[in-house]
This record gives sequence, structure tokens and C-alpha cells, in this order.
Amino acid sequence: AIHLTQSPSSLSASAGDRVTITCRASRALPSALSWYQQSPGTPPKLLIYGASSLESGVPSRFSGSGSGTDFTLAISSLQPEDSATYYCQQYNSFPYTFGQGTKLEI
Amino acid sequence: QVHLVQSGAEVKKPGASVKISCKASANTLSHTYIHWVRQAPGQGLEWVGVIYPTGGVAPYAQRFQGRVSMTRDTATSTVYMELSSLKSEDTAVYYCAKHGSNYGYIDDWGQGTLVTVSS
Repeated sequence: AIHLTQSPSSLSASAGDRVTITCRASRALPSALSWYQQSPGTPPKLLIYGASSLESGVPSRFSGSGSGTDFTLAISSLQPEDSATYYCQQYNSFPYTFGQGTKLEI
Repeated sequence: QVHLVQSGAEVKKPGASVKISCKASANTLSHTYIHWVRQAPGQGLEWVGVIYPTGGVAPYAQRFQGRVSMTRDTATSTVYMELSSLKSEDTAVYYCAKHGSNYGYIDDWGQGTLVTVSS
């Protein structure tokens, strides 16, 4: 199974800041990586697929980059509603796997 | 747009089995992959397995092999996940989620079903 390591595990930032979350894969993924946002008590919400494609309806302050084994989620102009836990997930091969999550506090 | 609606919360004793359902929009299972993902309290997301549009399944995640079964009823557009030999560590919210037949990323989720295993 492909192992995903996210960093940091948690971070705190202020409204208006820009933050980045990284996801490193144990094997090359090409671009088969997605990012999700999850607020407490709700299912995850798709933000980014194909490593860098923005899901419809997701604000443009979210962006994804990377390929191979190293990927990044960037969030600019942080808003209070961006407080959540963020997960990367690989869909290059079964079993699908998730990173351990990054908790963002604004 | 495929909409996923899951069955309600369950409370089971250790050693028992649980079968939870995920109802998709009518006539969508033939082109939709349905995944199951679980989340223990305060923990991250853990992929369990997937059922294909054909009704076949990919190998389940290793820690669930031998204990999990995924099936579907195309007449009611419902997918089921049964987990047996329940342990307290299986207490979690179980989500069904889907991706379409022409892409691999999960793009929508059910509301989740809480399964509590307690004596």
C-alpha cells in the first residue's frame, strides 16, 4: 500500500495569512492525489483532484501542486471558515490511502 | 448528480456483525464506484474497500480482510457493507463515498453512519 505522510499535523494561522500543507507519498503517484477539507461532524469535502485541479465551487484561494511523490495544498487569504482538518488521498492504486490529517486553526 | 443516503446509527455488542446501507440515486450504480471509509472518534480517515459498477470488489484493506463484505442491490440502488466479529476498536463513523467510472477521485460522500461497539 502507498503510505502518505502529511506535515505539519497541526498549525495555527491568522485570517488573511497564507499556509501550505505538504503530503509525501511512499511511491510515485503521477497526479492521482486529492485534497479534502473536513469540519467536525461532517463528511469530507473535495477541494482538489488530479493534484492541482480545483473542484467546482471551491474558492480559488485553495490551490494544489506537485507530482510524483511530493504534493502541496496552499490556502491563501485565510478565512475563519477555513478552520478544519485537511487530508490528502491517493487514488493511483488500491488500497486507496489517506494522509493522517492536518488540523488548521484560524 | 449522485446523492448518497446512509442508514441510521447502530449499537452492537463485541463479536456481533453489523450491516449498513448506502442508497444512491436511481439507476446510478452501473457507472459509479462506491467506497467505504471509516473514521474512529477523533481519528483520521481509513479506507475500507470499494464495490465496482460491475458489482465486483477490489481487495479490501488488509486489516478488514476476512471480516468485511460489500454487496449491492441494483433494483434499489443500494450498497451494503457488513462487518463481522466486531471489536470495540470498530467503533467509528462509516461513510460511503463515490467516484464515477471515468475518474478515480472520490467526489461525494454520504452523511455517515455511527457504529458503536460496546458490551
